[in-house]
Amino acid sequence: QVQLQESGPGLVKPSQTLSLTCTVSGGSISSGGYYWSWIRQHPGKGLEWIGYIYYSGSTYYNPSLKSRVTISVDTSKNQFSLKLSSVTAADTAVYYCARSHDFDYWGQGTLVTVSS
Amino acid sequence: QLVLTQSPSASASLGASVKLTCTLSSGHSSYAIAWHQQQPEKGPRYLMKLNSDGSHSKGDGIPDRFSGSSSGAERYLTISSLQSEDEADYYCQTWGTGMGVFGGGTKLTVL
Repeated sequence: QVQLQESGPGLVKPSQTLSLTCTVSGGSISSGGYYWSWIRQHPGKGLEWIGYIYYSGSTYYNPSLKSRVTISVDTSKNQFSLKLSSVTAADTAVYYCARSHDFDYWGQGTLVTVSS
Repeated sequence: QLVLTQSPSASASLGASVKLTCTLSSGHSSYAIAWHQQQPEKGPRYLMKLNSDGSHSKGDGIPDRFSGSSSGAERYLTISSLQSEDEADYYCQTWGTGMGVFGGGTKLTVL
């Protein structure tokens, strides 16, 4: 069974870059057929799709975040990563990684707080 | 613009059935969606993919109590024999022009 696990700092200072990694087990990113997404959830709110990457490196981002988001993939480690630049308190959220396009497998999520 | 609309809340009694609705915006009635469950303090869990013809495929280990159906632009999630652990937020989700779209979620209370 496919499992995803997010990792990264839980606290980021304003104006800095948020960096998270998702490690996939039970399936290979490089086998193709799936996209790999990042999704976030602000405290007490709904789900917001951030973007996805294919094993080839092709990406697509939410237009509302596109100028600040970079998603990359490391197939040798079976990982994909999220970078969100110039963060503010509004980026405080639980960040999830998931397998697209049906989001049939999710990580457990990691809370990132933006605060000085 | 592709929008998924869900009622903010729903409630039903223990052991009863409930039908949650997700409505696709105009011009998108042929779209498939997915349903996800988020129990309190947990991450989302995939329930099923639901096509416009009502056919659906469920995720691993999803009980038979969960089923999906469709009518026009509406997509339904029916939960029968409600249990306390079904109290959760339920989100519908689809894709439009390459972008992931979520409904606002329905908070289900089991009375």
